[in-house]
Amino acid sequence: DSGVTQTPKHLITATGQRVTLRCSPRSGDLSVYWYQQSLDQGLQFLIQYYNGEERAKGNILERFSAQQFPDLHSELNLSSLELGDSALYFCASSSWGGVIDTQYFGPGTRLTVL
Amino acid sequence: DAKTTQPPSMDCAEGRAANLPCNHSTISGNEYVYWYRQIHSQGPQYIIHGLKNNETNEMASLIITEDRKSSTLILPHATLRDTAVYYCIVRVAVLEEVRFGAGTRLTVKP
Repeated sequence: DSGVTQTPKHLITATGQRVTLRCSPRSGDLSVYWYQQSLDQGLQFLIQYYNGEERAKGNILERFSAQQFPDLHSELNLSSLELGDSALYFCASSSWGGVIDTQYFGPGTRLTVL
Repeated sequence: DAKTTQPPSMDCAEGRAANLPCNHSTISGNEYVYWYRQIHSQGPQYIIHGLKNNETNEMASLIITEDRKSSTLILPHATLRDTAVYYCIVRVAVLEEVRFGAGTRLTVKP
C-alpha cells in the first residue's frame, strides 16, 4: 500500500460524457502527478501540481483539466470523452526532502468509454 | 527522446538472481537512476534509486558503473511475485515527472 488513494477504481461511461477522477496523496506530500496508461501508449505523464499550483504539463489534451485543492487532494476532469480515452489513470504523490523526491503511485482508475 | 535502453523481456528461474540491465549513456551529472516496477496493471512501485554509488534496500540492489553510463538492478532471489515490467528511469532528483519507457518484462518461472 503506497498510501495514495484513488477513486473510483472503475468507471464506465459513454462517449461525449464528462467524468472526474479523484486522488488523495500520501500524508504530507505536496506534489501530485497524473499519468495515463493506454494499451498502445504506455505510461504517459499528464500534469503535475505542487501545493495547489500547476507546475508542469505533459501530454494532456485540452479536453482534460486538473486541480489540486487546499487539502492537497487532486481531481482530474475528463470531458467530451472519446473511445480513445479508455485507459488506466494513475496518480502519484511525492514530497521534497531537500535533495530528492520519490513518487509513490496509487492503484489507478480504470476508465472505459463505450 | 529515450534516455534509457532496456531489453524488452527477460526470463529468470524462481529462486535465482534476476539481473536487469539498463543503458543510460547520456546521463547528466545531476540525474539519478531510478527503478520502478509495475505488476499487471497495478500502480508502478518504486524500487530503488542511486546517483553514483551502489545501493541496496530490502527489495533490490542497484549497481551503477563507474562512468554512470549503465546500471543493473539485481533481485537477489526472484519469486513468482516479481514477475512484472521493470522500468529504468533517469531524472533530475527534484519534483520532476517520471518519464517511463517501454521497460523490461521480467517473467519468473518455476
